[in-house]
Amino acid sequence: GAVVSQHPSRVICKSGTSVKIECRSLDFQATTMFWYRQFPKQSLMLMATSNEGSKATYEQGVEKDKFLINHASLTLSTLTVTSAHPEDSSFYICSARRTLSPYEQYFGPGTRLTVT
Amino acid sequence: KQEVTQIPAALSVPEGENLVLNCSFTDSAIYNLQWFRQDPGKGLTSLLLIQSSQREQTSGRLNASLDKSSGRSTLYIAASQPGDSATYLCAGWYSNSGYALNFGKGTSLLVTP
Repeated sequence: GAVVSQHPSRVICKSGTSVKIECRSLDFQATTMFWYRQFPKQSLMLMATSNEGSKATYEQGVEKDKFLINHASLTLSTLTVTSAHPEDSSFYICSARRTLSPYEQYFGPGTRLTVT
Repeated sequence: KQEVTQIPAALSVPEGENLVLNCSFTDSAIYNLQWFRQDPGKGLTSLLLIQSSQREQTSGRLNASLDKSSGRSTLYIAASQPGDSATYLCAGWYSNSGYALNFGKGTSLLVTP
């Protein structure tokens, strides 16, 4: 089956530093990847849509300069949280949409970010 | 704005009971409807995906239905087990968002032995 990995699975960083999270589709190509954020006891909220070779599309209220997204290949998208603050602590999950079958979408295991 | 609502927010049942989780959505232009399971601190496990042209899907003890005209989906769990305890999320696929998923807040299920 299709597998999506995320790295790291858990990260703790200090306020003001930047953190990069990787999302990889391991056995399929994904032209489109999505980044979601989940706060405690809340549902997943879409942050941005990442398309290979082009700029990401951000949802309203998500700062594109703070959450940098790069989708440089058909199997890798990265989310960089710049100048992280404690309020950025959250669970970040990516999903990848299979290029040849756009109605198939697979989720990564998530990354737990804690900013101290 | 497309909204997905799940009722109840939490549910506790004794082992062996059959139960129904409800999901409603405001936009009938929904493309697919997908149910997920999420264990505490973990990622998502896809349970059932109902495509636009379908009305229901079944997998083992799980059955999900989709009624686009009424904006509702239900997840039926038969003969519940303690291992079914988790949060269940429903999510709508919308073509105007590039098929990003719009999630409900989930139903937290506890099945007691």
